[in-house]
Amino acid sequence: EAQVTQNPRYLITVTGKKLTVTCSQNMNHEYMSWYRQDPGLGLRQIYYSMNVEVTDKGDVPEGYKVSRKEKRNFPLILESPSPNQTSLYFCASKGLAGVDTQYFGPGTRLTVL
Amino acid sequence: GNSVTQMEGPVTLSEEAFLTINCTYTATGYPSLFWYVQYPGEGLQLLLKATKADDKGSNKGFEATYRKETTSFHLEKGSVQVSDSAVYFCALKDGSARQLTFGSGTQLTVLP
Repeated sequence: EAQVTQNPRYLITVTGKKLTVTCSQNMNHEYMSWYRQDPGLGLRQIYYSMNVEVTDKGDVPEGYKVSRKEKRNFPLILESPSPNQTSLYFCASKGLAGVDTQYFGPGTRLTVL
Repeated sequence: GNSVTQMEGPVTLSEEAFLTINCTYTATGYPSLFWYVQYPGEGLQLLLKATKADDKGSNKGFEATYRKETTSFHLEKGSVQVSDSAVYFCALKDGSARQLTFGSGTQLTVLP
């Protein structure tokens, strides 16, 4: 089954404690992306990657890091989380050919105390 | 820059009512337009899309027509069901950009 998986699905942490949210896709997609979803703001892109070892900033990259060492994985790293990073995070992927149809993971709800 | 404006929610309808969720956009080029749906506790799923002016996207009884003259892509369904309760997002991809630009989402609740 084609899918995008994220782990963990729920996380409560404290300010300053480094964390990583993993994202993996099994569709051999080149493009992967991270979004955060906040009430009234819709989805805002954090970082995206066009392929292995190629990453670019989205609209709200501050406080986040990503890496793309393998095609299937695109982890999101918060080196020093702060309460304003409390949000619902989605990973997405798509192939580069044709009109874009992004496939989304189930989401990770992060609370930073 | 690109932007998408959706009608404010939440929207509450009775089963079998007619649904319209308005979406207008601003783009520098000729974008592709999308509607995504997010069911409770799940990620977004593509509902329908249109790639050029006057195209009509349709799926699961939902329809939206790409109107270049009014820069709109309104979502419609003739008879909603309780199972249509979800958040609906309008989005665009400008041909020169690499990412999707989303609207703020519209919460739809359908009552039996």
